[in-house]
Amino acid sequence: AQSVTQLDSQVPVFEEAPVELRCNYSSSVSVYLFWYVQYPNQGLQLLLKYLSGSTLVESINGFEAEFNKSQTSFHLRKPSVHISDTAEYFCAVSESAQGGKLIFGQGTELSVKP
Amino acid sequence: DGGITQSPKYLFRKEGQNVTLSCEQNLNHDAMYWYRQDPGQGLRLIYYSQIVNDFQKGDIAEGYSVSREKKESFPLTVTSAQKNPTAFYLCASSIGVKETQYFGPGTRLLVL
Repeated sequence: AQSVTQLDSQVPVFEEAPVELRCNYSSSVSVYLFWYVQYPNQGLQLLLKYLSGSTLVESINGFEAEFNKSQTSFHLRKPSVHISDTAEYFCAVSESAQGGKLIFGQGTELSVKP
Repeated sequence: DGGITQSPKYLFRKEGQNVTLSCEQNLNHDAMYWYRQDPGQGLRLIYYSQIVNDFQKGDIAEGYSVSREKKESFPLTVTSAQKNPTAFYLCASSIGVKETQYFGPGTRLLVL
């Protein structure tokens, strides 16, 4: 069965520092991978996704993630964070053959301090 | 504006009471989903529907029921059989079951 592990439940970081939020998954078949962001008391917003093609995907607000098939990872990175990036981040995986059923990680709370 | 709306934002349930959470979308999406979010556990799938008049159980369907009579609406009923209903409930939709899911703002359910 597929599963998703986000290795850090909380990541505190200072403004303008780089950050990496780690995500590992387990699946024996090809997968689609997603990162969602959730601001307090709001729904989830899609940040970026990997479906196929280039293993490096980018979002419009400076985040990027790289699909590493051999390490079954999809870590999220940003070279310089802002206070406004403070939120909870969820990694999710969908097996391409099943379609539709997303398996979420437990979430990582990113806290950016001035 | 196109999007997904959930109402109410907060909902209170008394012991033994059924409550219904609303989810409406005007994106013309075929597929709709209900998730439950608990602190430290991520999101878990309750029910999903690929098309009108059809729905399937997710991982934690016990104590919940749904209907899909219209394409734009997918209400979730939390029944009295659900013994631990306090959670944040999120509705999502996608063009089809293999497409990216988009989420509503959520409903927080609290037990009195």
